[in-house]
Amino acid sequence: SQWGEENLQALSIQEGEDVTMNCSYKTYTTVVHWYRQDSGRGPALIILIRSNEREKRSGRLRATLDTSSQSSSLSITAAQCEDTAVYFCATDKNTGYQNFYFGKGTSLTVIP
Amino acid sequence: EAGVTQSPRYAVLQEGQAVSFWCDPISGHDTLYWYQQPRDQGPQLLVYFRDEAVIDNSQLPSDRFSAVRPKGTNSTLKIQSAKQGDTATYLCASSPRTGGAIEQYFGPGTRLTVL
Repeated sequence: SQWGEENLQALSIQEGEDVTMNCSYKTYTTVVHWYRQDSGRGPALIILIRSNEREKRSGRLRATLDTSSQSSSLSITAAQCEDTAVYFCATDKNTGYQNFYFGKGTSLTVIP
Repeated sequence: EAGVTQSPRYAVLQEGQAVSFWCDPISGHDTLYWYQQPRDQGPQLLVYFRDEAVIDNSQLPSDRFSAVRPKGTNSTLKIQSAKQGDTATYLCASSPRTGGAIEQYFGPGTRLTVL
């Protein structure tokens, strides 16, 4: 497996709080993608970070990538109820092949 | 722009029955993926195509699963003789040809229950 053996994690926070989700990967990658999946829908890309970017921001989202520890994080600032979803990290080998490996995800619930 | 469409949205089968899933990718996207997503897990790649060619089907259970994309547009994933372990959501995704990082666009999925 590309990813660690962590189970699906569940987080529950209050609206307005900050939250950070982590994942690790086993083999070399040049890009980490973060997707969110709303109930009953397919995943949607929200941010991607390349190996030459230690940090990437998009609105209230912040992704980090540490290639030395083979880990990535996604932070949401001032979470809102509409951030409730399952968040996945995924990697590709960026070798011309487009095999994606998804982690098991973090289920985030934001309570009003 | 229309997104990735899939049908049916739900399917319920008895063990041993066959089922087909259909996917219409975003127009112009040359790469199409099929994923299996068991409950409370991340999507797991089964097979992907570039145009009509299978690029990687190493994770496709070949004895019972098959996938085709004959004209490089729509695709069908078929399960022969379904098992309870096949219960999952089957997701289709597509992506455009690009020299950079790949963004996949997912359909809503087909939720399969095998009794």
